[in-house]
Amino acid sequence: KAGVTQTPRYLIKTRGQQVTLSCSPISGHRSVSWYQQTPGQGLQFLFEYFSETQRNKGNFPGRFSGRQFSNSRSEMNVSTLELGDSALYLCASSQTAAAPGRGGQNIQYFGAGTRLSVL
Amino acid sequence: EDQVTQSPEALRLQEGESSSLNCSYTVSGLRGLFWYRQDPGKGPEFLFTLYSAGEEKEKERLKATLTKKESFLHITAPKPEDSATYLCAVQAVRVYSGAGSYQLTFGKGTKLSVIP
Repeated sequence: KAGVTQTPRYLIKTRGQQVTLSCSPISGHRSVSWYQQTPGQGLQFLFEYFSETQRNKGNFPGRFSGRQFSNSRSEMNVSTLELGDSALYLCASSQTAAAPGRGGQNIQYFGAGTRLSVL
Repeated sequence: EDQVTQSPEALRLQEGESSSLNCSYTVSGLRGLFWYRQDPGKGPEFLFTLYSAGEEKEKERLKATLTKKESFLHITAPKPEDSATYLCAVQAVRVYSGAGSYQLTFGKGTKLSVIP
């Protein structure tokens, strides 16, 4: 079973540009979450999508946005890039957004990430 | 606000020298505590999930335990291939725009180095 696939793996952009990152979840997974990882802040939650709807959002400015398609694939977009946006962007998928108990449906599996460098 | 604190930040062990990593947390409505392993240049790899105080899980040289305020990841007789950053995360249900969602809050990790 294929894992979570993120493309591209590396990106170099300049300040003011915008960027779109893509994530294909594990087959059958309907929830996709996005995280930003930096050495200083660690992993920080950006947002989560389930059945094409944003179900949760972290504390990031409106320049960060996302969407999910009917096949559960997701994209995130960052507009007007700043130097501080340089980070590893990670996507994680799980079977469901909200499931009780210990069925394992709420385990998030991560992709390898997209390394974004803003110059 | 959910908080996760991991200690130590870095740990250097000789091969075969057992030790423990700590994860202390404050969260409203804990649904699960997760341990992940992350190698350089890769995404986090799922190791364990614990749901209630007193629960323990084992995998090879790793054993995770959970209390009401903290979790430990015990590493027995580590090998160089165990070198990685170990991340702890708590999961709680959050309601946003009327919908429930499981949100993970991560600690900053413990970087483990095992020296041959």
